[in-house]
Amino acid sequence: QSALTQPASVSGSPGQSITISCTGTSSDVGGYNYVSWYQQYPGKAPKLMISDVSNRPSGVSNRFSGSKSGNTASLTISGLQAEDEADYYCSSHTSSFTLVFGTGTEVTVL
Amino acid sequence: QVQLVESGGGVVQPGRSLRLSCAASGFTLSSYAMHWARQAPGKGLEWVAVISYDGGAKFYADSVKGRFTISRDNSKNTLYLQMNSLRAEDTAMYYCATDPPGGGWYCDYWGQGTLVTVSS
Repeated sequence: QSALTQPASVSGSPGQSITISCTGTSSDVGGYNYVSWYQQYPGKAPKLMISDVSNRPSGVSNRFSGSKSGNTASLTISGLQAEDEADYYCSSHTSSFTLVFGTGTEVTVL
Repeated sequence: QVQLVESGGGVVQPGRSLRLSCAASGFTLSSYAMHWARQAPGKGLEWVAVISYDGGAKFYADSVKGRFTISRDNSKNTLYLQMNSLRAEDTAMYYCATDPPGGGWYCDYWGQGTLVTVSS
């Protein structure tokens, strides 16, 4: 149950688009369309941003979008805003009927 | 609205036990699978365990298998995590979270967490 691999940090200027990758294996990310993404502010609980690879829950800005290709999933934030500065985690269902989180990515708005 | 409130955290010596609770309100707990996840201070999220809506299926992370037990009492709208043989590396904020009906394998609502510190 190794954590999914994410870049430690990603940064962008307001208005730009950034993409966070999440790399796993054929036993997790590549094998199922059960990839989700979470936003977490310091000292707060995580918040679901994307489920099932690309579904956006009600209330989540349409600036957030998800996709997947092979063993790598991606979260794209378009029109970057100061409020998007947070930590982001991906997760995936695994072939062992468990869940695995990514290593986490710190997003900085320059 | 959906509300999850964790309790039971605290400071405990290595090797001892602790039971966490997660009180649910604003929705029908018996319709949801439930997860526990944790986050060590300054570290990333780690999934701990999941239990099916009726308690018939339970799965655990390798790091806690054999030491932790997830359970639920739908009549009390409460989820539990029994933690035995605690280790220093179990020190973390523990969160409970819902997994929506239909088995989406994601956590759509989270509690605010309860802090467990394992230290002598």
